[in-house]
Amino acid sequence: KNEVEQSPQNLTAQEGEFITINCSYSVGISALHWLQQHPGGGIVSLFMLSSGKKKHGRLIATINIQEKHSSLHITASHPRDSAVYICAVLSYSGGGADGLTFGKGTHLIIQP
Amino acid sequence: DSGVTQTPKHLITATGQRVTLRCSPRSGDLSVYWYQQSLDQGLQFLIQYYNGEERAKGNILERFSAQQFPDLHSELNLSSLELGDSALYFCASSPSGGGYEQYFGPGTRLTVT
Repeated sequence: KNEVEQSPQNLTAQEGEFITINCSYSVGISALHWLQQHPGGGIVSLFMLSSGKKKHGRLIATINIQEKHSSLHITASHPRDSAVYICAVLSYSGGGADGLTFGKGTHLIIQP
Repeated sequence: DSGVTQTPKHLITATGQRVTLRCSPRSGDLSVYWYQQSLDQGLQFLIQYYNGEERAKGNILERFSAQQFPDLHSELNLSSLELGDSALYFCASSPSGGGYEQYFGPGTRLTVT
């Protein structure tokens, strides 16, 4: 079983729909990252959070530490949101000595 | 533009060869991370350097090595290349260690033939 599980693996929606991508993890973490990977391959960091909720434009990320679960929401989705969204966790080891552990990603397609 | 640069963008080489991938972190960032993205394994953490010292190791093969230089740029050396090493290799940087956002470079696409 992967330490980081994402659902759904694939999601196709119509422009304007509200999108939710879920991430569950099984290890203790110090932070969780949401990343966006465009078809060209580049990776952009969307959020890093360790508690609560963050919002940036039409994107909202939430995390529930007790339930080991995070969600990424996209409001008023647009075709330019089409990308792979990746959840990644930073396990707690102290001293900043860790790389990220990644989920397999959610491939999102927004149709006009 | 994340401010992290990687060279080269593409690299095609033959099995058994050795290559060096280069990464320059964002100005002021002390930590550099290397990641591998392959079709079958997805994204995997390879190694982290902090201010010139190795800080953490992930799923890095013994044929691979890395270093971070005094000017904080980093190099990932891949030797005795195999077909399965074909992948996208990303580096990322952050100001310090784990509690900070990581900024990813554009990646180097390695094809081993």
